Amino acid sequence: DGGITQSPKYLFRKEGQNVTLSCEQNLNHDAMYWYRQDPGQGLRLIYYSQIVNDFQKGDIAEGYSVSREKKESFPLTVTSAQKNPTAFYLCASSIPGTAYGYTFGSGTRLTVV
Amino acid sequence: QQQVKQSPQSLIVQKGGISIINCAYENTAFDYFPWYQQFPGKGPALLIAIRPDVSEKKEGRFTISFNKSAKQFSLHIMDSQPGDSATYFCAATPGGSNYKLTFGKGTLLTVNP
Repeated sequence: DGGITQSPKYLFRKEGQNVTLSCEQNLNHDAMYWYRQDPGQGLRLIYYSQIVNDFQKGDIAEGYSVSREKKESFPLTVTSAQKNPTAFYLCASSIPGTAYGYTFGSGTRLTVV
Repeated sequence: QQQVKQSPQSLIVQKGGISIINCAYENTAFDYFPWYQQFPGKGPALLIAIRPDVSEKKEGRFTISFNKSAKQFSLHIMDSQPGDSATYFCAATPGGSNYKLTFGKGTLLTVNP
């Protein structure tokens, strides 16, 4: 079945550490996105990529980094510079030029301990 | 700047009742308006979507009403069921080459049996 796989489902990080969240899709979508979800805040865009080897900052990119070396993969690194990293992180993908194929993964819950 | 305003933040409805969630937008370039449904611990899933060339779209018990002049759109859930209990997000995108979705802050719907 086609879809987006995010791993791990739960992740714990000590303060000062970088951590990488995985996102893999087999939908053959060119565009991929990372959103952060906090209670009462909706979904806020962190980074997005429309094509391999290219990505753009979203609304809340500070303290995060991404790479897009393969079409199928769009990992997100939460760096120690992110002051409040505890949140639910969602990866999504879509067909460029349309939002019809906007598919989300099941998310990773990151907790700083 | 919040480009899509969603209300109410939470909603409690009795089984069989009508649930109504409203959204308003500011950007007149938006031309695609999807609604997403999210269950706890899961990623959002596309529920129904509309373009501004129609005033209403119905799929089963779910209806989107769209008022272009007022820049408002709403989701109506007829005959609400306990299984509809979830968080609902409205979203909008300009389409074309700029197809990033901007989300409302979400509405937590509880349908009591």
